[in-house]
Amino acid sequence: EIVMTQSPATLSVSPGERATLSCRASQTVNSNLAWYQQKPGQAPRLLIYGASTRATGIPGRFSGSGSGTEFTLTIASLQSEDFAVYYCQQYSNWPPITFGQGTRLEIK
Amino acid sequence: EVQLLESGGNLVQPGGSLRLSCAASGFTFSSYAMSWVRQAPGKGLEWVSTISGTGISTYYADSVKGRFTISRDNSKSTFYLQMNSLRAKDTAVYYCAKTFPLWSSYYGTFDYWGQGTLVTVSS
Repeated sequence: EIVMTQSPATLSVSPGERATLSCRASQTVNSNLAWYQQKPGQAPRLLIYGASTRATGIPGRFSGSGSGTEFTLTIASLQSEDFAVYYCQQYSNWPPITFGQGTRLEIK
Repeated sequence: EVQLLESGGNLVQPGGSLRLSCAASGFTFSSYAMSWVRQAPGKGLEWVSTISGTGISTYYADSVKGRFTISRDNSKSTFYLQMNSLRAKDTAVYYCAKTFPLWSSYYGTFDYWGQGTLVTVSS
């Protein structure tokens, strides 16, 4: 099973600043990585797939990068609606599909 | 517009059974794999099961293998999760999710999610 590890667990950033979230895989997943955003009481929403492709309707301030075992989600110029929990997920070698434990992005 | 509507969540005793349903609309249902993902209270996301568009291929997390069964009825654009021998650890919100198709390079990615249905296993 591929273990996904996200860091940090909580990230405090001021509105308008840039946020950088990290995700590491226990073995290579190539570019088979997705990012999701989840707000309280809501279902997750797909942001990025293929490590760097934005999903339909996702604003350009969200970008993904990386391959192999190291990945980054960058949110440029944070908006109030971006404060949420973010999960990475690998679909390289499954089953099982595995998620990271999440990074909570909070307002500083 | 893609819509996914789960139903069937409830309070059930340990050892009991429950069947979840997910009705889909807004896309060609039979062309897409479908999945269940759960989230225990205050916890992260856990993949549970996926079924291919034809229903021929099914996949399960080890934590549910042998107890849960995923199935679909393409004529009704609906898929299901039959949950047997339920345990307290199965308590979670269960989300259904549209999944990139088998032929896609992104097979295993969940592009649309339902709002979830709560399953509580408790005596």
